[in-house]
Amino acid sequence: DGGITQSPKYLFRKEGQNVTLSCEQNLNHDAMYWYRQDPGQGLRLIYYSQIVNDFQKGDIAEGYSVSREKKESFPLTVTSAQKNPTAFYLCASSMGGSDYNEQFFGPGTRLTVL
Amino acid sequence: GQQVMQIPQYQHVQEGEDFTTYCNSSTTLSNIQWYKQRPGGHPVFLIQLVKSGEVKKQKRLTFQFGEAKKNSSLHITATQTTDVGTYFCAGIDSGWDYKLSFGAGTTVTVRA
Repeated sequence: DGGITQSPKYLFRKEGQNVTLSCEQNLNHDAMYWYRQDPGQGLRLIYYSQIVNDFQKGDIAEGYSVSREKKESFPLTVTSAQKNPTAFYLCASSMGGSDYNEQFFGPGTRLTVL
Repeated sequence: GQQVMQIPQYQHVQEGEDFTTYCNSSTTLSNIQWYKQRPGGHPVFLIQLVKSGEVKKQKRLTFQFGEAKKNSSLHITATQTTDVGTYFCAGIDSGWDYKLSFGAGTTVTVRA
């Protein structure tokens, strides 16, 4: 059954701690993306990767880091430098290589900083 | 940078009525995509428009891409309770690589 998985669904962390959000896809997609969603706002791009071992900053990359060591995986680390990390985080993937490809989204991780 | 604006932010519709949500970009787009996010869910792709003036239909949903490729609309006829959710447009700037810029979405509620 193909798709994108994100874990965990809910995550709580104490202020000052780093936390890593998992994103895995078995769609054989080249491109992967991380978005942040806040109430009343659209999706804002954090980081994206079009190929393994390469990634680019999106519009709001400060306080976040990523890696793309495998095609299937694109973990996101929310560092203590992110000033307002409480949000809904969505991972997506697409075939890549063209701007005519739909993005498939995972179920999301809701992060709450206590 | 590119900005994609959507109006209205909220749409309260009586079941059976029609409504339209609009999407406007500050720059020319190479294409525009529409997604739907149900409450508590994740965005799901609905459709993509590529050509200037393109119109596509999916049952009760009609999508249109403007002639200048800077605006788009989604029109829903005979609204049903299954239409509840947030509709996002997302565009790719013709001058950028493959980053989608999302509008803030139109959140639709339906009165039965």
